[in-house]
Amino acid sequence: KAGVTQTPRYLIKTRGQQVTLSCSPISGHRSVSWYQQTPGQGLQFLFEYFSETQRNKGNFPGRFSGRQFSNSRSEMNVSTLELGDSALYLCASSLNWGFGNEQFFGPGTRLTVL
Amino acid sequence: GIQVEQSPPDLILQEGANSTLRCNFSDSVNNLQWFHQNPWGQLINLFYIPSGTKQNGRLSATTVATERYSLLYISSSQTTDSGVYFCAVYGDSNYQLIWGAGTKLIIKP
Repeated sequence: KAGVTQTPRYLIKTRGQQVTLSCSPISGHRSVSWYQQTPGQGLQFLFEYFSETQRNKGNFPGRFSGRQFSNSRSEMNVSTLELGDSALYLCASSLNWGFGNEQFFGPGTRLTVL
Repeated sequence: GIQVEQSPPDLILQEGANSTLRCNFSDSVNNLQWFHQNPWGQLINLFYIPSGTKQNGRLSATTVATERYSLLYISSSQTTDSGVYFCAVYGDSNYQLIWGAGTKLIIKP
């Protein structure tokens, strides 16, 4: 069974631009979560989608948004990029929503904002 | 909210050595996972272990939920074991994984 895939793997943008990252979960998994990892803040939860609905959201500004499609694939968007948005963005999939579900991670998208 | 602490923060060992990594959490949990993040950033699932003991090859893990800690054992370390090991938990009222700061492990040949 194929794992979680994320595209693109690397991205370089400039301040003020916007970016869209994509995540395809493991086949049969219906929940997708997004995390940001930076050296200073560690791993931080962005949001979780299940059945095309955002079920949970972390403490990030409204510039960070996401969506999920009917095939469970998910995208996240960051508008008006700031230097501090440079990070590794990780997507995780799980069978269902909520606690108690094992999460499996993709390889990540490394975003650099210049 | 729930707090997760990992120790030690850094560990340097010679190939072949054994190690024990610890994860303490401040409240009861519904899920506890151990991950290995390789130098390329990939998070690899090691164990899903909210309680009890599991083994997978040279790795094993034990979670004592009543005492709020989990241990990850690595035996006969290899250089490919290098990386950062994270513990992450779901608390009773969190619908998200709460992460420890990680243990950075370096295995020298």
